[in-house]
Amino acid sequence: EADIYQTPRYLVIGTGKKITLECSQTMGHDKMYWYQQDPGMELHLIHYSYGVNSTEKGDLSSESTVSRIRTEHFPLTLESARPSHTSQYLCASSEGSGNFGGTEAFFGQGTRLTVV
Amino acid sequence: AQTVTQSQPEMSVQEAETVTLSCTYDTSESDYYLFWYKQPPSRQMILVIRQEAYKQQNATENRFSVNFQKAAKSFSLKISDSQLGDAAMYFCAYRSGYNQGGKLIFGQGTELSVKP
Repeated sequence: EADIYQTPRYLVIGTGKKITLECSQTMGHDKMYWYQQDPGMELHLIHYSYGVNSTEKGDLSSESTVSRIRTEHFPLTLESARPSHTSQYLCASSEGSGNFGGTEAFFGQGTRLTVV
Repeated sequence: AQTVTQSQPEMSVQEAETVTLSCTYDTSESDYYLFWYKQPPSRQMILVIRQEAYKQQNATENRFSVNFQKAAKSFSLKISDSQLGDAAMYFCAYRSGYNQGGKLIFGQGTELSVKP
């Protein structure tokens, strides 16, 4: 099992609520990622980080925001949840302060978010 | 932009038999890495096998092997002696070898079922 954890695993929340999805890794990895996995199972990158105080938007536009204040922690926040945000969110990390294209990405178990 | 395509939404194999999952990709880059990830139901996504584009030799990991055809931009996964535990979603993924943050680009996924 990889040492990357996401909480909560499942979340059902009402429209308009603010939510934060937690992601933590204990491997000391510099790079962290958030992927959104739609009902058709395809994964799209929505945020990534090279390291502390670094955040970038991914290929899929998202209303969520992220922060990276500590190496091990990469939370994702939705200020006002909507039904269109219903999806599975996967967090991942990989090592390397450089490019390291071939290194493995480790994934968390995901958070399944339902906005009603 | 790079793209990854998995044209088989579902595949089925008899236990102990061999199955091949297809993946094609499009890129203008010469330095890149290819991966197959496995996502069992409600479990973490894990790396199955990886291939460096500069290596001509096909990667193998126990019962898993790839057929990497660089000119055709094809990267299929062969699973030999299929086991019930192989049932999962399988994702083909591409990662640039250049400084693009280590982002993975995923295919649509192939759901593999294994019949006893």
